[in-house]
Amino acid sequence: NAGVTQTPKFRVLKTGQSMTLLCAQDMNHEYMYWYRQDPGMGLRLIHYSVGEGTTAKGEVPDGYNVSRLKKQNFLLGLESAAPSQTSVYFCASSIRRAGAGANVLTFGAGSRLTVL
Amino acid sequence: SQQGEEDPQALSIQEGENATMNCSYKTSINNLQWYRQNSGRGLVHLILIRSNEREKHSGRLRVTLDTSKKSSSLLITASRAADTASYFCATPPDSLFGNEKLTFGTGTRLTIIP
Repeated sequence: NAGVTQTPKFRVLKTGQSMTLLCAQDMNHEYMYWYRQDPGMGLRLIHYSVGEGTTAKGEVPDGYNVSRLKKQNFLLGLESAAPSQTSVYFCASSIRRAGAGANVLTFGAGSRLTVL
Repeated sequence: SQQGEEDPQALSIQEGENATMNCSYKTSINNLQWYRQNSGRGLVHLILIRSNEREKHSGRLRVTLDTSKKSSSLLITASRAADTASYFCATPPDSLFGNEKLTFGTGTRLTIIP
């Protein structure tokens, strides 16, 4: 059982280049998330999805796009990378809880992106 | 903006001692979670406490929640070298809506000295 898998694990980009981070989960989770983690800032939510074909903005969505064409995959795209997007990106997923049910996240191992 | 803030930012203790870290949050919540992150890894869920609970235990972990003070604490007893990690509290943005999202604090970096 792989859980949440992120590819690639490391990537170096030049300013203005584009790239896509792929997140795949094999737990049949409805919800998926992209967070970024920067020193001293904790984790900040970029975008998330509550089901196949749906996406929503998180706290820091600017400069990123996402797609959830298949339930098991959640893609994070950078159309024109900037040095401010140098960060470690984490994907997470969770099952859907009815009503006020708590949401427990399963995280991937992270993707370290450097933009020069 | 962060919902939860952990305190202290960093903590170093001797192996075998107890470690306590705190989390303060801003709005009403219906649950609060703690996660651990080992260096270079993703976060791992440790424990969840609901708003109608005051204390919860899981192995060497003890979590308390004080909704009147909007704060929680995580106690790790009899610490081990393997407990060296960053610890984050996480909350939904409010108690009524948005439970599908979690907001994380900035974390407490715990170092256990052998």
